[in-house]
Amino acid sequence: KAGVTQTPRYLIKTRGQQVTLSCSPISGHRSVSWYQQTPGQGLQFLFEYFSETQRNKGNFPGRFSGRQFSNSRSEMNVSTLELGDSALYLCASSYTGGDPYEQYFGPGTRLTVT
Amino acid sequence: AQSVSQHNHHVILSEAASLELGCNYSYGGTVNLFWYVQYPGQHLQLLLKYFSGDPLVKGIKGFEAEFIKSKFSFNLRKPSVQWSDTAEYFCAVKPSNTGKLIFGQGTTLQVKP
Repeated sequence: KAGVTQTPRYLIKTRGQQVTLSCSPISGHRSVSWYQQTPGQGLQFLFEYFSETQRNKGNFPGRFSGRQFSNSRSEMNVSTLELGDSALYLCASSYTGGDPYEQYFGPGTRLTVT
Repeated sequence: AQSVSQHNHHVILSEAASLELGCNYSYGGTVNLFWYVQYPGQHLQLLLKYFSGDPLVKGIKGFEAEFIKSKFSFNLRKPSVQWSDTAEYFCAVKPSNTGKLIFGQGTTLQVKP
């Protein structure tokens, strides 16, 4: 079974621009969660989608948004990019997101904001 | 506030030494517990998980962890580390029936051959 895939793997953007990241979950998984990984803050939860609905949200500003499609693929959007948004953005998929299902992580998208 | 604390930020061991990485969490409700590992250049992989039942859980590559509910702890152990265990280790807590993982800051393990 193919793992979680994320595109693009690397991205360089300028302050003020917006960016869209994509995540394809493992086949059959309906929950997709997004995380931001930085050296200073570590791994922080952004949001979770299940059946095209945002089910949980972390403490990030409204510039960070996402959506999920009927095939469970998910996109994450960051508008008005700031230098501090430079990070590795990880996507994880799970069968339902609930118990007793664990999350499987993709390789991440490395975003650099200049 | 929900949080996870990993006691050691950087651990250096020689091959064959025993390993114990501490993890404590702060959350008032039912949780699921995980250890993930990130080998150099690779993505996060699940080492082991606890949902319910026997508090001593065994994972891949000889790792095990014990959930002590009264201490809000989920420490990771391995009796004898190998050079290939060099990686970053993350403890994570998931409030029951949510898709939200709360991670600790991570512990970098360096195993000297």
